[in-house]
Amino acid sequence: QVRLVESGGGVVQPGRSLRLSCAVSGFMFSGYGMQWVRQAPGKGPEWVAVISNDGVHKYDADFVKGRFTISRDNSKNTLYLQMDSLRGEDTAVYYCARSRPGSSYYAPDVWGQGTTVTVSS
Amino acid sequence: EIVLTQSPATLSLSPGERATLSCRASQSVTGYLAWYQQKPGQAPRLLIYDASNRATGIPARFSGSGSGTDFTLTISSLEPEDFAVYYCQQRDYWPPIFTFGPGTKVDFK
Repeated sequence: QVRLVESGGGVVQPGRSLRLSCAVSGFMFSGYGMQWVRQAPGKGPEWVAVISNDGVHKYDADFVKGRFTISRDNSKNTLYLQMDSLRGEDTAVYYCARSRPGSSYYAPDVWGQGTTVTVSS
Repeated sequence: EIVLTQSPATLSLSPGERATLSCRASQSVTGYLAWYQQKPGQAPRLLIYDASNRATGIPARFSGSGSGTDFTLTISSLEPEDFAVYYCQQRDYWPPIFTFGPGTKVDFK
């Protein structure tokens, strides 16, 4: 069955870095675009970034401003989000999600359970 | 940047009633309009994509319609498990940047 399992969340001080991972199984990872979406406590989802199935093309939200980098390793069936210069407003549950079949940039149809990132001194 | 507005913020209904949720965009959307359902402690679940197509496994009581700047999610007859928060999401044509609306909570009257 299709599974996406995020890891790497935790408590981190402002200005520090964190790398999130998303291990996938149950489908051909290299055939799908992948995305990160976050959700701050009590707020709605906020899209973070998308990466094409081959890892060549990446697009992200304005608020990322070069601080976050999405990447993938198709040989390991794993998606990553490198987050640098973290701020308090980055505190959220971070979800990885698979783009719907047919295009790397379709709406995500399968989501992980999320990993929590807390930025606090 | 396209901004999505959802109304109402809260919809109080009873099981068996019809729910009509609105999503309005600040400018015309390309058609890449999706609807998600989210329950507490869970990830969002894709219901509708491309404005009117039901995702795999989604019951027929969920339907989407609309074009341009005005979109609607209709739940024809609410089941107890449908009480949740619903978000619309659009994708800019290019670059492919996604935006979520603020959500509509469907709760028990």
